[in-house]
Amino acid sequence: SQWGEENLQALSIQEGEDVTMNCSYKTYTTVVHWYRQDSGRGPALIILIRSNEREKRSGRLRATLDTSSQSSSLSITAAQCEDTAVYFCARSSNTNKVVFGTGTRLQVLP
Amino acid sequence: ETAVFQTPNYHVTQVGNEVSFNCKQTLGHDTMYWYKQDSKKLLKIMFSYNNKQLIVNETVPRRFSPQSSDKAHLNLRIKSVEPEDSAVYLCASSYTGGTSAETLYFGSGTRLTVL
Repeated sequence: SQWGEENLQALSIQEGEDVTMNCSYKTYTTVVHWYRQDSGRGPALIILIRSNEREKRSGRLRATLDTSSQSSSLSITAAQCEDTAVYFCARSSNTNKVVFGTGTRLQVLP
Repeated sequence: ETAVFQTPNYHVTQVGNEVSFNCKQTLGHDTMYWYKQDSKKLLKIMFSYNNKQLIVNETVPRRFSPQSSDKAHLNLRIKSVEPEDSAVYLCASSYTGGTSAETLYFGSGTRLTVL
């Protein structure tokens, strides 16, 4: 879980496999963001899920949000080599502050 | 399509020098941010400005000072850099409308190396 860890997590999977990354939070959150960061670039949003939503999909990506357990997940179905990146969850509430988790470095091997 | 522009891309300097980084966004957003990303990829918010007003000021050393001339520009000055300031500094913008921050749009970052 990203917010519970101090260090960047690393996952290595084979192309075609499914993968799930998890985040948990302890403070009031109204929006969970999932970003991916490619080498040499800034993070880019892939899915944003609000507290009144349970699930959101975008292509092979699926994000879930469970407000009762204060956790969110990002799943990638049939991962491709181009999914190799660092993935971050981030949370925001009724402020102008977006707090990022520690990130998961995903490597998809051919 | 790049809409948050940061300069310079890289900067190498020596301990004790002053550096300035520039950021401009062309998205019409009302909020801009500076984040610091260390070698372990940890992203920490430093400052947030909403319509030129400082909103978030995390616990950062006093040698860091943000400067905003208008809501499209947010610069970062570091007086007397230290070795631990070596990192990638990422600028971002978003629309908040006074409520929760929406999608953050990031620039490509400025990589600072302090010798």
